[in-house]
Amino acid sequence: QQPVQSPQAVILREGEDAVINCSSSKALYSVHWYRQKHGEAPVFLMILLKGGEQKGHDKISASFNEKKQQSSLYLTASQLSYSGTYFCGTDFFGNEKLTFGTGTRLTIIP
Amino acid sequence: DTGVSQDPRHKITKRGQNVTFRCDPISEHNRLYWYRQTLGQGPEFLTYFQNEAQLEKSRLLSDRFSAERPKGSFSTLEIQRTEQGDSAMYLCASSLPSEWERRTGELFFGEGSRLTVL
Repeated sequence: QQPVQSPQAVILREGEDAVINCSSSKALYSVHWYRQKHGEAPVFLMILLKGGEQKGHDKISASFNEKKQQSSLYLTASQLSYSGTYFCGTDFFGNEKLTFGTGTRLTIIP
Repeated sequence: DTGVSQDPRHKITKRGQNVTFRCDPISEHNRLYWYRQTLGQGPEFLTYFQNEAQLEKSRLLSDRFSAERPKGSFSTLEIQRTEQGDSAMYLCASSLPSEWERRTGELFFGEGSRLTVL
């Protein structure tokens, strides 16, 4: 069951904030977030384990609502370097066999 | 410090031909994953190994696909009798052993091997 991401695409001006959502229909062990720039490999951002924790990395943070099987990625004061496609990957058993969502394309304009 | 390397980076082949991709993971990583990605989609799981053991293979994978990791180091993914629908980016990823304290669960992806079937 592929997780559903929303929105599919978003365009921001530099300095604006964005939220990307990821929903699963099955119980999750963890949620992973990756960013992929055009023509490049996906790059790991963070992992959230069940327990409802929230993590942060610079101006990018994420939360995981275990009861709702939802995760959100928060990008604050966006920079041009944040442009790319963001994927959530759901892990049901803790073996990093990830099922990726369809992605959210983020475009930051000056 | 070398990351995950994949070879070849690009492969153009005619329908019906066989192709083989190679992946060299980061040396201390014991888990190795193969994913396939088509344009505009997220990576789709194909199979994964822990050391030389293939632990799981996607049900979506036809019998034309086979993967090996003979000595628990590099891995190969072979596609026999290629079809146009096999055209995609084939991504390899590796991760640290589960018992390592500094393990974060991160998958380290290679740059991928792009397959075009004519």
